[in-house]
Amino acid sequence: DTGVSQDPRHKITKRGQNVTFRCDPISEHNRLYWYRQTLGQGPEFLTYFQNEAQLEKSRLLSDRFSAERPKGSFSTLEIQRTEQGDSAMYLCASRGGDNTGELFFGEGSRLTVL
Amino acid sequence: AQRVTQPEKLLSVFKGAPVELKCNYSYSGSPELFWYVQYSRQRLQLLLRHISRESIKGFTADLNKGETSFHLKKPFAQEEDSAMYYCALHPPNSGGSNYKLTFGKGTLLTVNP
Repeated sequence: DTGVSQDPRHKITKRGQNVTFRCDPISEHNRLYWYRQTLGQGPEFLTYFQNEAQLEKSRLLSDRFSAERPKGSFSTLEIQRTEQGDSAMYLCASRGGDNTGELFFGEGSRLTVL
Repeated sequence: AQRVTQPEKLLSVFKGAPVELKCNYSYSGSPELFWYVQYSRQRLQLLLRHISRESIKGFTADLNKGETSFHLKKPFAQEEDSAMYYCALHPPNSGGSNYKLTFGKGTLLTVNP
């Protein structure tokens, strides 16, 4: 499968712990996105990378959240001092340089904070 | 700020019946509109975009700027169309081609045999 892959698929953690999610985009895609989806809602934009540069961050991304894409390939999303409100599905998507607007999504990483 | 509204959380139809999934948006300009679909146990994927004016899997959607709507239609629903459907908006003035999408809350379509 050469699609977008995310790891881990599920994470259960206790409040206050740190968690990190990894996303491997489609190899030739230079644009990478993180979205968050909570129950009954559509995906909400968190942040966007073009190559290694983080070009945009949502106000949803509090200072406990940090995302990196150090070599312009895979990306990590870290949440420090998790809170119960962080429980959600974290989706990664990538796209190439065309302007079709098609995002290719991963299967997501589901976070449960107890 | 832009917003996408999908008024129906659930929609149930019988196989062979017409189906229309509603999407309304608020944006002062000319947005790009998309429909994404998520089948059971599959990842979210693009169904169609208004610019391409295509029919995908028998679905069409017309952008109505006067009514600010982008409803998804299919004349004869099939059981395999059962899925969650999300309408999404990209405001071109938000930063060129970053395609930061604003999604609606989604409509779960069930097509009964």
